[in-house]
Amino acid sequence: GQNIDQPTEMTATEGAIVQINCTYQTSGFNGLFWYQQHAGEAPTFLSYNVLDGLEEKGRFSSFLSRSKGYSYLLLKELQMKDSASYLCAFMDSNYQLIWGAGTKLIIKP
Amino acid sequence: IAGITQAPTSQILAAGRRMTLRCTQDMRHNAMYWYRQDLGLGLRLIHYSNTAGTTGKGEVPDGYSVSRANTDDFPLTLASAVPSQTSVYFCASKGGDSTDTQYFGPGTRLTVL
Repeated sequence: GQNIDQPTEMTATEGAIVQINCTYQTSGFNGLFWYQQHAGEAPTFLSYNVLDGLEEKGRFSSFLSRSKGYSYLLLKELQMKDSASYLCAFMDSNYQLIWGAGTKLIIKP
Repeated sequence: IAGITQAPTSQILAAGRRMTLRCTQDMRHNAMYWYRQDLGLGLRLIHYSNTAGTTGKGEVPDGYSVSRANTDDFPLTLASAVPSQTSVYFCASKGGDSTDTQYFGPGTRLTVL
């Protein structure tokens, strides 16, 4: 079967670094996506990984290990505006996205 | 119009009523999707369309129908609404490459009483 899991909630301090983990199981895999969703708004695209390794994009980086079914999103130099939910999703063999429930990130001053 | 629009923004509906949620995109994307988002659950796919004239069922299609008469529009219809269909509904679209990013509309908050 298919499943995907990420922590429900995390808290971090402004200026710090936080790592949000995501684990998944699937027989067909076409990449791993991270989206950001502020409360009451639509999800917006952050990153896409299809090969193993780290992809860096400014303050945000995303890592993928296909053999371990594992990804993480790393946020550096946290700002209050980073308070949001972060959604992990893998693309299955039919090119459909299977979504995690999201991790609510709370940033404290 | 720029991107994806959805209407209405929010709606309160009596159980048993028929309702159509509208979705329009101006990016000429081939693929379009309807998701529902409920607290504590991930986005769940209701229906999708890979190209105009074709539709497919997602994870939770029961009680919903869609049509795709042209590239731009992808309406979602609830034939007879029930309280369990209370949710936030997002429409999304994706460009030509199968692994392209999905872009989301602003969502419709639907309450069925």
